Parts: sequence; structure tokens; C-alpha cells
Amino acid sequence: GAVVSQHPSRVICKSGTSVKIECRSLDFQATTMFWYRQFPKQSLMLMATSNEGSKATYEQGVEKDKFLINHASLTLSTLTVTSAHPEDSSFYICSFPREGSVTEAFFGQGTRLTVV
Amino acid sequence: GQNIDQPTEMTATEGAIVQINCTYQTSGFNGLFWYQQHAGEAPTFLSYNVLDGLEEKGRFSSFLSRSKGYSYLLLKELQMKDSASYLCAVKNSNYQLIWGAGTKLIIKP
Repeated sequence: GAVVSQHPSRVICKSGTSVKIECRSLDFQATTMFWYRQFPKQSLMLMATSNEGSKATYEQGVEKDKFLINHASLTLSTLTVTSAHPEDSSFYICSFPREGSVTEAFFGQGTRLTVV
Repeated sequence: GQNIDQPTEMTATEGAIVQINCTYQTSGFNGLFWYQQHAGEAPTFLSYNVLDGLEEKGRFSSFLSRSKGYSYLLLKELQMKDSASYLCAVKNSNYQLIWGAGTKLIIKP
């Protein structure tokens, strides 16, 4: 069964509003989590790395004031897209590294954000 | 820079075999992954290679040549449900996953 729960799976919002995406690990704890964005027919692009209890590390070109990440506990991380614009429409995916494994990572189901 | 190259799209016939190639240039190497991704869904882990050679897992096999910066995913006895995008990803020296854009595989009856 799923070990990572991400919701909502789909959201449509008006331009200028904010949207919060939650990613929750169901049966394990993770100190580190990754947020990715994927545009159609493109690769997953790492947006930021969040660490429990500390500030997230953002990749170059990703606006930290626009994409707010909160990793308040070992099982929950949230991504808030603030003042969303149509160009923010994308597929957002969270990923927890699998503790004790150098291979796998657990992915959330993804969130399809459409800003109109 | 770092980049992962794989074909954009491939077409194959049900029951046949298909090989999806991936070449990479990254800052360091700590393993290569293949993931399957259906449209609108998260990637699903298929295989991991860190040493040269072939890893076989059922109908799927993955090959790695570190000296050539090259890998391939081999899918045998293709089924219609194998229609998906296949993503190649490399973990670099910073343990970051660098992703290819994916190869869309179309299976025809």
C-alpha cells in the first residue's frame, strides 16, 4: 500500500490565491524530504529540500517567498504556492528518501495544480 | 552542466522486446535508477544499478556501463499496461537525483 499520502491530487485555483499541498508519510519518519515540479513532457525538477525543524534549501531559480515549505514534523511536509499564477500550473510531487536505503525513495501521488 | 539524455518517444508491439537507452553526464555518480511513470501519477521504482553489468528483475532488466556513462532498460514480453513514460535518473556526488525527461513508450497491439 501507499506509504506516502499527498493531497490534494488535483486543484484548480484562481490567479492570485494560495494553495497548500500536504505530503505525509504513513508508516515511517523522515528528516529529509524533496519537492519536485514537473511540466508536461519534461523531467522532474527539484525545487527544494526540506529538513525537519529547519529551513528548506531551495534550488537556484526557485523563489523561496513564493513556494513556502514547512517540514514541521518527521511525518508531514507542506508546500504552499502563494499568489499563484498560470505559469505555476504544473505537477508537484513530494518524495521521502527511504531511510537506511541508498536506492529507493517514496513518492507521493502528485498534485496537479491548474491556475486559471 | 549535468544532463541525462534519453529518447523522447518509442513505439513497440505487444509481446515484443524494447530497449530504452540513457546516457548521462553528472558531477559524480552514486547510482542510476529507472522509474516508470503513468500520466498524472508519481514515478514507480523499477531498478537500480551502481556497478557495471546487468540487473534482471522479471520482465525488466537494466544495464549499466559507468565508463561510457550509459544505461539501458530492457522490457520483454511487452504488455499494453507497459505503456508509460520511463525515467532515467542518476544520483550525483551530492546524492541529488538528476532526472531525464523520460521516454514515452507506446505499445501497439
